[in-house]
Amino acid sequence: GAGVSQTPSNKVTEKGKYVELRCDPISGHTALYWYRQSLGQGPEFLIYFQGTGAADDSGLPNDRFFAVRPEGSVSTLKIQRTERGDSAVYLCASSWGGANTQYFGPGTRLTVL
Amino acid sequence: AQRVTQPEKLLSVFKGAPVELKCNYSYSGSPELFWYVQYSRQRLQLLLRHISRESIKGFTADLNKGETSFHLKKPFAQEEDSAMYYCALTGDDYQKVTFGTGTKLQVIP
Repeated sequence: GAGVSQTPSNKVTEKGKYVELRCDPISGHTALYWYRQSLGQGPEFLIYFQGTGAADDSGLPNDRFFAVRPEGSVSTLKIQRTERGDSAVYLCASSWGGANTQYFGPGTRLTVL
Repeated sequence: AQRVTQPEKLLSVFKGAPVELKCNYSYSGSPELFWYVQYSRQRLQLLLRHISRESIKGFTADLNKGETSFHLKKPFAQEEDSAMYYCALTGDDYQKVTFGTGTKLQVIP
């Protein structure tokens, strides 16, 4: 079946703008994760959903970042008042449950000018 | 706090030579350790996890709790092993994966 998909693949925006990044997990996967990968770094955990609820959002860097998963499938990561430091690849992953193998999407490359 | 350290940004080896990608971790409890791999123009994928005790594509990794290490090894490198390798850890909060900074493995023909 189809793997995790993310849209858009690239997003260029201006400082101060609002952006939304979308993740479509593998069908049936109950757990969904967001990571941020800056240049030269490994993925950094942002938030984890089990079903519709955010089970752990401790990795969100500040209140400009917010994520939702209203129907327990597709998730949207929302970034308000973007800053140049937000430029990174945003990765989404999904799994059957918390302790199972995570399957990653291709990522969205966000560039804030 | 949990931390993963990969000291080498780049490791170059000749085809057929042994490979060892180093990984050290810091965690006060009982961690679960993983190696993830990202081949060129492909997405990040799990290579192996220590609880499975598997050999995947000829790679093995042994968890050494005394040295807090989880080095990835392969006796004979192949060109197709060239990729970015990330060591990762989960702790008691097993959903939260902490990644190292990655090591780029370059296998020279």
